[in-house]
Amino acid sequence: GAVVSQHPSWVICKSGTSVKIECRSLDFQATTMFWYRQFPKQSLMLMATSNEGSKATYEQGVEKDKFLINHASLTLSTLTVTSAHPEDSSFYICSAREVGGGETQYFGPGTRLLVL
Amino acid sequence: AQSVSQHNHHVILSEAASLELGCNYSYGGTVNLFWYVQYPGQHLQLLLKYFSGDPLVKGIKGFEAEFIKSKFSFNLRKPSVQWSDTAEYFCAVNTNTDKLIFGTGTRLQVFP
Repeated sequence: GAVVSQHPSWVICKSGTSVKIECRSLDFQATTMFWYRQFPKQSLMLMATSNEGSKATYEQGVEKDKFLINHASLTLSTLTVTSAHPEDSSFYICSAREVGGGETQYFGPGTRLLVL
Repeated sequence: AQSVSQHNHHVILSEAASLELGCNYSYGGTVNLFWYVQYPGQHLQLLLKYFSGDPLVKGIKGFEAEFIKSKFSFNLRKPSVQWSDTAEYFCAVNTNTDKLIFGTGTRLQVFP
């Protein structure tokens, strides 16, 4: 139980294009999903908290117009990296917290983005 | 600001050796504590968690952790490691802000 998937698992795109990453909770409902970014050999940095049916809450320093988050249902959140640049290349990981499941977050496998 | 520190960045052990990974956090209020593991090429998996009650928490795969409130610590232990324990280990703290704050991670390499 408590499986979270991400799609795609990796993507290569040209600078200036937009990339959408999906995060799904497969066997549970998640009112809250989180988006993290992980740089090589570093820890996870929280980018934003996504609540179903409302606007995402972004961490300080994260551009909300660049990283668009939509949480349209209890099982799906999307992160769109708009006008991607090489410095956006990173490993993006989502997590989901089960409705009524306390504070435990379940993590997706991550999406590796390479912007050329 | 809340923070989590993991003192050991890279640990190398032989199989059957005992393991202890340090984790300290800075926050004066109530915390929930987690250890996550990331095996090579895989996603983060929950090893164990502490919310309240017995400060000695047992997790999967023979791991345990002890919450010592006075030391703001939540160290991870395993009496005898195996080669399959080779992975990256992350300590994380959740406070009343709804966010998980991660430590920088400890890379564990176990040699047969």
